[in-house]
Amino acid sequence: QKEVEQDPGPLSVPEGAIVSLNCTYSNSAFQYFMWYRQYSRKGPELLMYTYSSGNKEDGRFTAQVDKSSKYISLFIRDSQPSDSATYLCAPVSGSARQLTFGSGTQLTVLP
Amino acid sequence: GAGVSQSPSNKVTEKGKDVELRCDPISGHTALYWYRQSLGQGLEFLIYFQGNSAPDKSGLPSDRFSAERTGGSVSTLTIQRTQQEDSAVYLCASSLGVLSYEQYFGPGTRLTVT
Repeated sequence: QKEVEQDPGPLSVPEGAIVSLNCTYSNSAFQYFMWYRQYSRKGPELLMYTYSSGNKEDGRFTAQVDKSSKYISLFIRDSQPSDSATYLCAPVSGSARQLTFGSGTQLTVLP
Repeated sequence: GAGVSQSPSNKVTEKGKDVELRCDPISGHTALYWYRQSLGQGLEFLIYFQGNSAPDKSGLPSDRFSAERTGGSVSTLTIQRTQQEDSAVYLCASSLGVLSYEQYFGPGTRLTVT
């Protein structure tokens, strides 16, 4: 079993929809939970991250972590066609430095 | 400011040849990472450099892979005797250092082994 599981999709939604992207993980040592966005043939771009459990909001994006259930979510409000990309969750422990990536969810927002 | 840069952007090589991939981190970033992204395996960690400390090589898949970082800045990933399964996108990332978990990625080098 992989340390980080993510539904690969693809996920297709109409413009303006609320999108929910999710990951589960098994390593209790993970403390920081990063979300990256990757456009086709580009490097991953850091969107936002949270520390431990709780919510963090940045514009149309909200990241949520529930450490008790080892569940990570990213919500996108008022989705736009420019949000069409692959979204990768990537938790990291406090001691190790390398990111452990989920497989990524491919999102398409239809105009 | 300038982001992480990588060269070449694409590399096609024959099986058995050696290749070198280059990464220029963001200026002032002391930590540098190499990852590999392939269809079957997703994004995998390869190696991590922090300042002058010994690198964390725990992700290197075989002894054909090596990396060095000169002067605490530019890094080179070398793959010897390339195999077809080495075909992937090789991504470099940098971060401010031990107090930062925010890693910023370059555009990657797409390696194809024929």
